[in-house]
Amino acid sequence: DAGVIQSPRHEVTEMGQEVTLRCKPISGHNSLFWYRQTMMRGLELLIYFNNNVPIDDSGMPEDRFSAKMPNASFSTLKIQPSEPRDSAVYFCASSFGPRGGRGTEAFFGQGTRLTVV
Amino acid sequence: AQSVTQPDIHITVSEGASLELRCNYSYGATPYLFWYVQSPGQGLQLLLKYFSGDTLVQGIKGFEAEFKRSQSSFNLRKPSVHWSDAAEYFCAVADYGQNFVFGPGTRLSVLP
Repeated sequence: DAGVIQSPRHEVTEMGQEVTLRCKPISGHNSLFWYRQTMMRGLELLIYFNNNVPIDDSGMPEDRFSAKMPNASFSTLKIQPSEPRDSAVYFCASSFGPRGGRGTEAFFGQGTRLTVV
Repeated sequence: AQSVTQPDIHITVSEGASLELRCNYSYGATPYLFWYVQSPGQGLQLLLKYFSGDTLVQGIKGFEAEFKRSQSSFNLRKPSVHWSDAAEYFCAVADYGQNFVFGPGTRLSVLP
């Protein structure tokens, strides 16, 4: 398996534009996580899905952020409109979830570095 | 809610020296604990994990960690550090719902 695949790897956009980040989890995994990493706040969980259903979105900063998982092999994180403070590295991760037991680790993608100017 | 603290923001050791990175957690039930490593510009890679059994767990790259319930700790160790170990290290705890919570990370620098 190629692992968790994120695209794009880098995104530079202007303030106010819509940004869509994409993630393909590892085949067979049933939990998917979106994290944001910044120097100031470290790794923050934004949202996680289990069996394509959002379980906890309490980390989503505000209404400008939305995430979807239309099927088991694809998820998107959308920011509309984007702001400079959204600049960060966004990671997607997947795991076998509760079905796999709590010892199952999360596998991370390479991340998307977002810069909003 | 669970939480993880890593008291050391930055540690510098000489190549060949031993290493211990500290991790303390707060969790109501039996914790499931992980150590991840992140190299610059990369994602997080799992070093090791603990969820039951022997409290001393072995991981990749010569790392090990010991779970101490009485101290709510899960410290990461390596007997002899290599220059390639320079990276950021994250401790994490997961609850039953697989909600991973990460510590703030410890940046490791290795002197030649």
